[in-house]
Amino acid sequence: AQSVAQPEDQVNVAEGNPLTVKCTYSVSGNPYLFWYVQYPNRGLQFLLKYITGDNLVKGSYGFEAEFNKSQTSFHLKKPSALVSDSALYFCAVRDIDGGYQKVTFGTGTKLQVIP
Amino acid sequence: GAVVSQHPSWVICKSGTSVKIECRSLDFQATTMFWYRQFPKQSLMLMATSNEGSKATYEQGVEKDKFLINHASLTLSTLTVTSAHPEDSSFYICSARELGEAYEQYFGPGTRLTVT
Repeated sequence: AQSVAQPEDQVNVAEGNPLTVKCTYSVSGNPYLFWYVQYPNRGLQFLLKYITGDNLVKGSYGFEAEFNKSQTSFHLKKPSALVSDSALYFCAVRDIDGGYQKVTFGTGTKLQVIP
Repeated sequence: GAVVSQHPSWVICKSGTSVKIECRSLDFQATTMFWYRQFPKQSLMLMATSNEGSKATYEQGVEKDKFLINHASLTLSTLTVTSAHPEDSSFYICSARELGEAYEQYFGPGTRLTVT
């Protein structure tokens, strides 16, 4: 079965500094990887995905993620953090489980951007 | 495009009553819809997957008789929490996969259920 690990419960970064939110995964086949953002009392918003192709994936709101197959990682990055980026971020992986597609989410990382 | 709505956004009910939550895909046809449950400061837990016109597939440990899921059309799925108890209080989120879409799911805004 697939799994996703987000090792940091919270990441604090100063506004204007680069940010990284870490994610590692485990799947039996080819990984389909996603990042979502959740604001308080809201559903999830899609940021970006990796299916195949370039290891550096660009997404919404200036976010990007780097797929590293050897390290089984898919870290989320942004060159310059904004206060409005403060939210809960989820990494997810899609795989085949029991014969049908299933998405597994990480435990989430709270990003706090300090003005 | 690809908007998913949920109704109600929040609901308070008494223990023992049933509550129905609607999930609608507003501008696309969703052959598959997913229901998740999220506890405070925790990740999303998949409860069940439903395909239009067929029975839902429930995850291990989810009581199908308690959490009734109906996916009667390509734009509507409902989750009914029957005989609700305080431990059912949670944030319920649905998502939908568009007809022909292989990878992406679009999430609704969630429904906050509080059982008193």
